[in-house]
Amino acid sequence: NAGVTQTPKFRVLKTGQSMTLLCAQDMNHEYMYWYRQDPGMGLRLIHYSVGEGTTAKGEVPDGYNVSRLKKQNFLLGLESAAPSQTSVYFCASKDRERGANVLTFGAGSRLTVL
Amino acid sequence: AQSVTQLDSQVPVFEEAPVELRCNYSSSVSVYLFWYVQYPNQGLQLLLKYLSGSTLVESINGFEAEFNKSQTSFHLRKPSVHISDTAEYFCAVSDSSGNTPLVFGKGTRLSVIA
Repeated sequence: NAGVTQTPKFRVLKTGQSMTLLCAQDMNHEYMYWYRQDPGMGLRLIHYSVGEGTTAKGEVPDGYNVSRLKKQNFLLGLESAAPSQTSVYFCASKDRERGANVLTFGAGSRLTVL
Repeated sequence: AQSVTQLDSQVPVFEEAPVELRCNYSSSVSVYLFWYVQYPNQGLQLLLKYLSGSTLVESINGFEAEFNKSQTSFHLRKPSVHISDTAEYFCAVSDSSGNTPLVFGKGTRLSVIA
C-alpha cells in the first residue's frame, strides 16, 4: 500500500516551459488536492477534486490546470511556467465517508523555474 | 470562510523543556481543528484532531491540544520535548461538514536544542 505517490520529485524548468505533476493514490479516496508550500506562507490550496471528472479552484489557481480523468490520479499542469511558481507542491487525498478532513499527503515535488 | 493564525513562526526550546505552539482560528460556523506535522524533507502527517466531544485531544507521542471555543484557540502543548520533535507544525481548520478543503496556518518551526 503506497498511499499517495507524486512524480517527479524534483524538476527544473525554464520560464515558459510546460510540465505536468502526477499524483496517484491507491486508497480509493474520492477527494484529492494540490497544495503549494512556500516559506512563511504555509500551504495554499491550488485546485481540488471531489470525485472522478470533477475539479474546483482553490485559493491560488492562476497559472495552473488540473484533470481527474481517473479516480486514482490527479494531474497538475503548468502551461507556461513562471519563476513565481517555484515551490514545493504537495498532493493529498481523503476518503469521503470516513475522512472528516484527515488528509494523506504525498512526499512533495520540488519545482524550480529559472 | 475559515482562517487560521499561528502566532509564532519559529520556536526554539531546549530538550526536555515544555513547549506551547499557539493557534487561533476564525469561523462563523462550527469547525473541525487539526494539527499536522512536517518532518524535514517529508510530507505532512496528522498529529491530532478535534472533531467533537472532549475538548482535550492527545497524540500518541505526547502532544495535546485543547479546543477553546470562547477564545477561538487550539494551542498545541507538550510537557517535555525531544530532539526528534524538531519539525514544522501546521494548524488547520475546516467547517464541521468535513467536506470543504482544509485551511492551513503559515506554520511554526519548532527547533529542539540539545
